[in-house]
Amino acid sequence: DGGITQSPKYLFRKEGQNVTLSCEQNLNHDAMYWYRQDPGQGLRLIYYSQIVNDFQKGDIAEGYSVSREKKESFPLTVTSAQKNPTAFYLCASRQGTQPQHFGDGTRLSIL
Amino acid sequence: AQKVTQAQTEISVVEKEDVTLDCVYETRDTTYYLFWYKQPPSGELVFLIRRNSFDEQNEISGRYSWNFQKSTSSFNFTITASQVVDSAVYFCALSQNYGQNFVFGPGTRLSVLP
Repeated sequence: DGGITQSPKYLFRKEGQNVTLSCEQNLNHDAMYWYRQDPGQGLRLIYYSQIVNDFQKGDIAEGYSVSREKKESFPLTVTSAQKNPTAFYLCASRQGTQPQHFGDGTRLSIL
Repeated sequence: AQKVTQAQTEISVVEKEDVTLDCVYETRDTTYYLFWYKQPPSGELVFLIRRNSFDEQNEISGRYSWNFQKSTSSFNFTITASQVVDSAVYFCALSQNYGQNFVFGPGTRLSVLP
């Protein structure tokens, strides 16, 4: 089945550590996105990439980094500079003018 | 600046009741797109509808219907004869460009009780 796979589903980070969230899609979509969701809030855009080897900052990029070396993969690194990383992270992809298609999310917590 | 307001934080209804989820938006753009997404407990966002600013026709899809009124900047969502499987968080979102970049509302948590 075509879709977006986010892993792991749950992730724990110690203070001062970087962690990387995986997002893989087999939909052959050009564009990919990372969002952060906090309780009682809508999604906020962290980074997005419209083509391989190119990405743009979203509204809340500070403390995060991404790469887009392959079309199907768009990993997100939560760095130690992100002071409040506990949240639910959603990855999405899109082709042309079609609506964004979302993964199941990764819940990140701080130990 | 663009903004989406969903004033209802949580709604509880009993199965088979009709329920309307409100969405009010702000934008200075003349061309824009409005969306509704459903987020079930599993976490993924499921696309429900996209509407462009030039199309004010109401839409019905099974038990779902949407009422778009530019005069009041609202894009409300009604579920008729609600079911337990409708329990989820529903997000309204605004985009300038087909859904490239969104402004999301805070969401409304709907609980449908048996």
